[in-house]
Amino acid sequence: GEDVEQSLFLSVREGDSSVINCTYTDSSSTYLYWYKQEPGAGLQLLTYIFSNMDMKQDQRLTVLLNKKDKHLSLRIADTQTGDSAIYFCAERLTGGFKTIFGAGTRLFVKA
Amino acid sequence: DAGVIQSPRHEVTEMGQEVTLRCKPISGHDYLFWYRQTMMRGLELLIYFNNNVPIDDSGMPEDRFSAKMPNASFSTLKIQPSEPRDSAVYFCASSLRTATLYEQYFGPGTRLTVT
Repeated sequence: GEDVEQSLFLSVREGDSSVINCTYTDSSSTYLYWYKQEPGAGLQLLTYIFSNMDMKQDQRLTVLLNKKDKHLSLRIADTQTGDSAIYFCAERLTGGFKTIFGAGTRLFVKA
Repeated sequence: DAGVIQSPRHEVTEMGQEVTLRCKPISGHDYLFWYRQTMMRGLELLIYFNNNVPIDDSGMPEDRFSAKMPNASFSTLKIQPSEPRDSAVYFCASSLRTATLYEQYFGPGTRLTVT
C-alpha cells in the first residue's frame, strides 16, 4: 500500500550538517516534498523535487532523489538551533490529489 | 491572506461529549484536508474535499467522526461521542488544484484533549 517511512529522531551539533532520510512506495509519484513543522504550528512546505530530477539545491538545503531505491533525503548544511523542528517527507500520488506524509523526523540541534 | 484559520486552538472536553472543530480555508482554494497528528501514528489524513464535495473519507476512524463542508469557506469536523483516544492535534489544510506544486497550506491546528 501507500507508505512513506522516515526515522523519528535526529540529533546534531550546531554547525554540523543534518541528513534526514525517507523511503516511499509509489514509484510513479510526480512530486516529493519536505515540510517543516515548528513547535505549536502547522506544517509548511520547505522544499520539493520533481520525480525527473536527481538533486535540488536551495541555499542550505539539498534534496537528493534516488528513484531506483525510492529514497529521498534532505541535507541541511550548517545546521542552526532555529532548524530544530519536525521534518515531514511527503509524496503526491498520481491519479489523484492525495499526498501521503511520513511520520516526521524530529531534529534536535545542540548548541 | 490570513492563511488557513482553525478554531478553537485548544479544546478540553470530557469523554462522551460532542466536539466540533472548525476550519476556514484560504480564499479561492478548492481542496480542503483534515489531518490528525499523534505521537503514536504521526500525521493521518482523515478526509478531503474538492469543491465542497467529500472525495476520500477512508481515513475517518469510525462513525463517531463526521465532516462537512457546507460552502467554500467553511468546514467542520465533528466527533460524537468523544473518547480519550481521540486526543490529538487536528489540522486543516487547503490547496489549489491549478497551483504548480499542489502545495498544501496548513492551519495552526486544534489541540484536543478528551478526559
